[in-house]
Amino acid sequence: DAGVTQSPTHLIKTRGQQVTLRCSPKSGHDTVSWYQQALGQGPQFIFQYYEEEERQRGNFPDRFSGHQFPNYSSELNVNALLLGDSALYLCASSAGTGISGAFFGQGTRLTVV
Amino acid sequence: AQSVSQHNHHVILSEAASLELGCNYSYGGTVNLFWYVQYPGQHLQLLLKYFSGDPLVKGIKGFEAEFIKSKFSFNLRKPSVQWSDTAEYFCAVNANTNAGKSTFGDGTTLTVKP
Repeated sequence: DAGVTQSPTHLIKTRGQQVTLRCSPKSGHDTVSWYQQALGQGPQFIFQYYEEEERQRGNFPDRFSGHQFPNYSSELNVNALLLGDSALYLCASSAGTGISGAFFGQGTRLTVV
Repeated sequence: AQSVSQHNHHVILSEAASLELGCNYSYGGTVNLFWYVQYPGQHLQLLLKYFSGDPLVKGIKGFEAEFIKSKFSFNLRKPSVQWSDTAEYFCAVNANTNAGKSTFGDGTTLTVKP
């Protein structure tokens, strides 16, 4: 049973570019949450998708957007990249509201130069 | 808004020593509390969780945590650590009214010396 898978594992982008990160949730999970983890900090909640809609959102600008597909997989898009967007981006999947905790992927390391 | 504070950034212990990692949260309503662990080179994994009932919860690998509502705390404990417990530990909270949005602390790195 595959856990949460994310792609790519590493990515280097130039300031101002756009990036798309992908996530496949654990089998049986229908909810996907995205987190940004800067070096030396804990994960910060970006947003959560359920039934193909954004259900919750953290304090991130509109440059951060997402999508969930009918098969529950999800994408995170970041436009107009800034140097400060360099971080590890984590995808977490859960069943329903996620009240029982979440399963995390290995993350995508994004470097903006 | 919710916030989580983990008191120690880095803890170094010898094998067989007892462990207690502090976690305090800020939120006035009903919360769900979690400890996650990240072993070197691996992804975040759920160690234990508290929703309601007995404030002393037991997780995997001999870890336990106690929820003290009056102190807004959820400290993680283990009576005797092993070298394999070397990892980063994160405390997280979400509110019953906002269950999908978890707020994490900045983590505590535990190094266990053999």
